[in-house]
Formats: sequence, C-alpha cells, structure tokens
Amino acid sequence: EAGVVQSPRYKIIEKKQPVAFWCNPISGHNTLYWYRQNLGQGPELLIRYENEEAVDDSQLPKDRFSAERLKGVDSTLKIQPAELGDSAVYLCASSSYLLAGVETQYFGPGTRLLVL
Amino acid sequence: GQQVMQIPQYQHVQEGEDFTTYCNSSTTLSNIQWYKQRPGGHPVFLIQLVKSGEVKKQKRLTFQFGEAKKNSSLHITATQTTDVGTYFCGVTGNQFYFGTGTSLTVIP
Repeated sequence: EAGVVQSPRYKIIEKKQPVAFWCNPISGHNTLYWYRQNLGQGPELLIRYENEEAVDDSQLPKDRFSAERLKGVDSTLKIQPAELGDSAVYLCASSSYLLAGVETQYFGPGTRLLVL
Repeated sequence: GQQVMQIPQYQHVQEGEDFTTYCNSSTTLSNIQWYKQRPGGHPVFLIQLVKSGEVKKQKRLTFQFGEAKKNSSLHITATQTTDVGTYFCGVTGNQFYFGTGTSLTVIP
C-alpha cells in the first residue's frame, strides 16, 4: 500500500513569491491534515479536512495561507506571498478511524521550504 | 488553550542505558498518542493510550498513562542506536496537539 505522497520534497523561493504544496493521502483515508514543523519543534496543525470539508482551520494564517481538497482526496496548500518566517517543513498526514479503530495519523515525507 | 509539555527537551545516553520522556498536560486527556521522528524523517505513530493507568509495551518500549489522565511516559529499556530520534506525545483537545518533543541521542 502506498503511503502519503507529498511534492515537492524541497522548495527554495524568494520572499513575496507564491508557493504550493501537494499531498495525496493513503487511499481510503477520509481525514487529511496539514502541519507546519519548525526546526526543533513539534508539528503544528494548520488545517484538518474530513473528506472535502475543512473542519479545523483555526491555526491557518488565512491572510496568506489557503488550502483546498476539492474532491475529498488529494489536497493543495498554498502560501501567497511567502515570508521569511514561513521557512519550515510542511507535513501532510492522513487517517481513517474506521480502518484502524484508532485515529492513527500517517505522515508523508514533508516539503522542506526555504524562503530567502 | 491546550498546553502539552514534554521533559526533558534533550537526552543523551550511553547505549544500553535506559531512557524516559514525560508528557504533561494542563487538562484531562481523552487519550494520548506517541510518535517517533527520526532525524530528517517524519513522525511515525507508535501507540495510543486511552484508559486511566493504562500500560502498554512494545518490545523495549513501555508506555504509561497516568491515573488522572493528565500525564504519560515513554520508557525505553537498554537503548540502542536505532532509538535515536525525537519522541512526541500527541493529544486531542479542540484539535490535535503535539508535545514539544524529547530529542534522544544514543552514544555508542
């Protein structure tokens, strides 16, 4: 079974430029998460989807961040414009309570973003 | 809001020594999860604890949930170099929160 797929793996951009990250969750997982992880810290939840509905986006900086999961499968996270402080690893995770009985989150490899 | 603290932040041990990390919450938890993140890698789910006082074991790893369901611990017996990484607890409040993590270094 394929795991959570993310692309790109690395991205270097200049500040004020836009950037987008893509995530394809594990097949059949209806819950999708986007996290941001700064160096030496734990992942911080940005947004959580149940199918195509964003059920928790309280930590998403909505002035510059946006996300979508139009068909309830893959998802895109966008930053526009990027700022220096956005440099971090952006992790996508998916879970399926029904499959595991426990809401285990399976993480993708992440996208390492560097804003210059 | 939810506050989850882990101690210690860093731990260096000689290979073969034991290691323990603690996760403490300011509020009562419905459950707690533990994840391991290798250097340069992504978090990997280890276990979930639900019941008060619950103890679960995975080979050399022992996980415990406090009686008051406000704290938890992860203990590794006889560490190996493969145990290197950062161990995070994760809790569900109004959203899912990761703890601050404990970075484990094992010296061969």
